[in-house]
Amino acid sequence: GQNIDQPTEMTATEGAIVQINCTYQTSGFNGLFWYQQHAGEAPTFLSYNVLDGLEEKGRFSSFLSRSKGYSYLLLKELQMKDSASYLCAVMDSNYQLIWGAGTKLIIKP
Amino acid sequence: GAVVSQHPSRVICKSGTSVKIECRSLDFQATTMFWYRQFPKQSLMLMATSNEGSKATYEQGVEKDKFLINHASLTLSTLTVTSAHPEDSSFYICSATPGGAPDTQYFGPGTRLTVL
Repeated sequence: GQNIDQPTEMTATEGAIVQINCTYQTSGFNGLFWYQQHAGEAPTFLSYNVLDGLEEKGRFSSFLSRSKGYSYLLLKELQMKDSASYLCAVMDSNYQLIWGAGTKLIIKP
Repeated sequence: GAVVSQHPSRVICKSGTSVKIECRSLDFQATTMFWYRQFPKQSLMLMATSNEGSKATYEQGVEKDKFLINHASLTLSTLTVTSAHPEDSSFYICSATPGGAPDTQYFGPGTRLTVL
């Protein structure tokens, strides 16, 4: 079957760095997405990886290893507003999105 | 875990025709369902929020007469794109929220609509 695994919840300190991991098993691969979702709001797009390696966008970076079925989202210089859920999603060979359950990130002062 | 399905997964239609997309929560009752559209490599854009048995609430800029939403039961919501045009080609994703857990959304796999 197809599945996406990511931790349910993580806690980090303001100003620190946190890495949210995502492992996947899907039938085919057409890219991996990371979304941020604040409670009660629609998810917002953070990154898209289709090739191996690290993509950096300001304080956020996303890494992909297709051979390992693994990705991570790295958040640096954490701010209180980064408290949210982070969703990992993979587009399979049929161009359908397989969603992870999301990781709730709690930032403490 | 909670599963949300969508049907069809992809559809190609001619300009001017209508297309219906179904969203089902398979193992839970969804008091609220959301419909999103996503253009390539862009964020999901919320189109509307529907609660079972009541009219959907549309986001600003979304034509309610063009995108008809029916949330007839606690496990089914449908989105009908009426008189589709090529600019309606997009990826449509639904999500569902179980009763009692308003902050938790479970997403469907999406429907890719191509209008010729």
